[in-house]
Amino acid sequence: AAGVIQSPRHLIKEKRETATLKCYPIPRHDTVYWYQQGPGQDPQFLISFYEKMQSDKGSIPDRFSAQQFSDYHSELNMSSLELGDSALYFCASSLLAGHSGANVLTFGAGSRLTVL
Amino acid sequence: AQSVTQLDSHVSVSEGTPVLLRCNYSSSYSPSLFWYVQHPNKGLQLLLKYTSAATLVKGINGFEAEFKKSETSFHLTKPSAHMSDAAEYFCVVNSGGYNKLIFGAGTRLAVHP
Repeated sequence: AAGVIQSPRHLIKEKRETATLKCYPIPRHDTVYWYQQGPGQDPQFLISFYEKMQSDKGSIPDRFSAQQFSDYHSELNMSSLELGDSALYFCASSLLAGHSGANVLTFGAGSRLTVL
Repeated sequence: AQSVTQLDSHVSVSEGTPVLLRCNYSSSYSPSLFWYVQHPNKGLQLLLKYTSAATLVKGINGFEAEFKKSETSFHLTKPSAHMSDAAEYFCVVNSGGYNKLIFGAGTRLAVHP
């Protein structure tokens, strides 16, 4: 079965550079979520989108932005990168609560960002 | 607000012995609860979920968890540990609304021969 696809899997950037992570949800899933997992930390919710509109916002820095496109894929844009942005970034997708099969998020394998 | 507390940051067991990973939740309403597993340098994999159906939930790889409302607990168990079970385990609550998940701090399970 198709899973959540994230690209790139690994990314190395210098401080103050920008980075873009992409996420392709499971087909027919209408909601995408982004999580950040720092070294030795639990995943922290950043932001989510439902039907291309932001549905919820967590601890996402102002330097980060994200959007969901008409084909439901999502991109997380990170600017002015800092050392502390080094983390594993997970994307997940689901059907919005209220639909059959809702409440279960399927995670991608993650994109590991290293800021030097 | 919803939250989960994983009572042990590290658990070490011998291969073939039972596994118990403890999780307590806090929720103002009947929650949806999950256990996810993360193997080293891997993504998050759903082990099992509780969504107000049967209180004893069976998951993959022989794991199960029991929802106990009176104790606000959702402990994860497995009768016999395998070496391949060594990983980080996260207890997770759904915050409701737009499916935002709240993760516990994680429990690292080590399995010794």
